Amino acid sequence: NAGVMQNPRHLVRRRGQEARLRCSPMKGHSHVYWYRQLPEEGLKFMVYLQKENIIDESGMPKERFSAEFPKEGPSILRIQQVVRGDSAAYFCASSPRHTGVADTQYFGPGTRLTVL
Amino acid sequence: GQQVMQIPQYQHVQEGEDFTTYCNSSTTLSNIQWYKQRPGGHPVFLIQLVKSGEVKKQKRLTFQFGEAKKNSSLHITATQTTDVGTYFCAGRSTNAGKSTFGDGTTLTVKP
Repeated sequence: NAGVMQNPRHLVRRRGQEARLRCSPMKGHSHVYWYRQLPEEGLKFMVYLQKENIIDESGMPKERFSAEFPKEGPSILRIQQVVRGDSAAYFCASSPRHTGVADTQYFGPGTRLTVL
Repeated sequence: GQQVMQIPQYQHVQEGEDFTTYCNSSTTLSNIQWYKQRPGGHPVFLIQLVKSGEVKKQKRLTFQFGEAKKNSSLHITATQTTDVGTYFCAGRSTNAGKSTFGDGTTLTVKP
């Protein structure tokens, strides 16, 4: 019973390149959340998705960032034209649904993005 | 929007001392969850509280949900070095579509 999987675990990009972060939720989970964490800081919510739908993207920067969760395959967080300030750990979490006791979020190991 | 605040931000204790972190919400919550993140690791779910005044225990950890369902606490008795990490609460208000995380309390334990 695999947990939430994220890849790559570490990603190095030069300024101006694109970064693609992948997240496979736990089996049976249809809700995915993305968070960004800077060193020594808390979890900053970015976006909440269900299959083929963006439910809440209030934490996502308006430019350069996008997310999707297609019907088949993993959820993707895409950062275009990366800048040094994008360097952070990006965590994905999944839950079976968002109401009641079943909205516990299970986190993946994260992707550490370094922008040179 | 919903705000979830945690205090203190940092806590340094001597091994064997007790530790408490507090979580306060600007709105009434339908549930609250607690997570622990070890240094260099990812957040791991600890527990969920749903009922007003609920108290749950996990070995040396005691979790409480306030009567008004707007605050919660995590208390660790006789801390050990394995308790180091950042403890996050996450609360979901009745009308919200998702939980909101507090900024966490980072615990360091001196042996």
